[in-house]
Amino acid sequence: DIVMTQTPLSLSVTPGQPASISCKSSQSLLHSDGKTYLYWYLQKPGQPPQLLIYEVSNRFSGVPDRFSGSGSGTDFTLKISRVEAEDVGVYYCMQSIQLPLFTFGPGTKVDIK
Amino acid sequence: EVQLVQSGAEVKKPGESLKISCKGSGYSFTSYWIGWVRQMPGKGLEWMGIIYPGDSDTRYSPSFQGQVTISADKSISTAYLQWSSLKASDTAMYYCARLTTVTYYFDYWGQGTLVTVSS
Repeated sequence: DIVMTQTPLSLSVTPGQPASISCKSSQSLLHSDGKTYLYWYLQKPGQPPQLLIYEVSNRFSGVPDRFSGSGSGTDFTLKISRVEAEDVGVYYCMQSIQLPLFTFGPGTKVDIK
Repeated sequence: EVQLVQSGAEVKKPGESLKISCKGSGYSFTSYWIGWVRQMPGKGLEWMGIIYPGDSDTRYSPSFQGQVTISADKSISTAYLQWSSLKASDTAMYYCARLTTVTYYFDYWGQGTLVTVSS
């Protein structure tokens, strides 16, 4: 089974400053179809998870452009260019290359200094 | 607008049965898989299983196979998650989510159903 790890597990950021979260998978997430099956979610306090990024770097509908994703193979990064108060919550990466097994990372808790 | 609306919070005793629901609207319910995700108190997200309402094809995470049953009634656009005998360790928030089949990710989520199992 694919194991997902995230670093750091918690992050305290000053508003307006950038933030970066790393996600690593134990196996490559590059599919033979040429796509990479890596996604990012944000779970705000008291809410369900919401999709931020799909296929490494594509922002989901309505996601602000201060969020960006990058990476390839087994190493991925989510960046927030300028953190806002509404960005607090837990960020999860998820893989789905090993269908029908989906695996989430442990989560990175982001709060505001 | 795609919406997944889940049934309300439940408080049960160990050994009791339970069935929670997830009603989809705003899209073709039979054309997308629905998944269930568990979140235990203060913990992360765990995928439990998925169902294709069009033909009720169901796949389970090995961790949940035999522990829960996932079903769907396409006539009322509703998916279900059920337990035959609850344990205290089933206490958690349960989310349903729609699975897009472009590259298989959950794009829309229900609001969650909190299940509390306590004697």
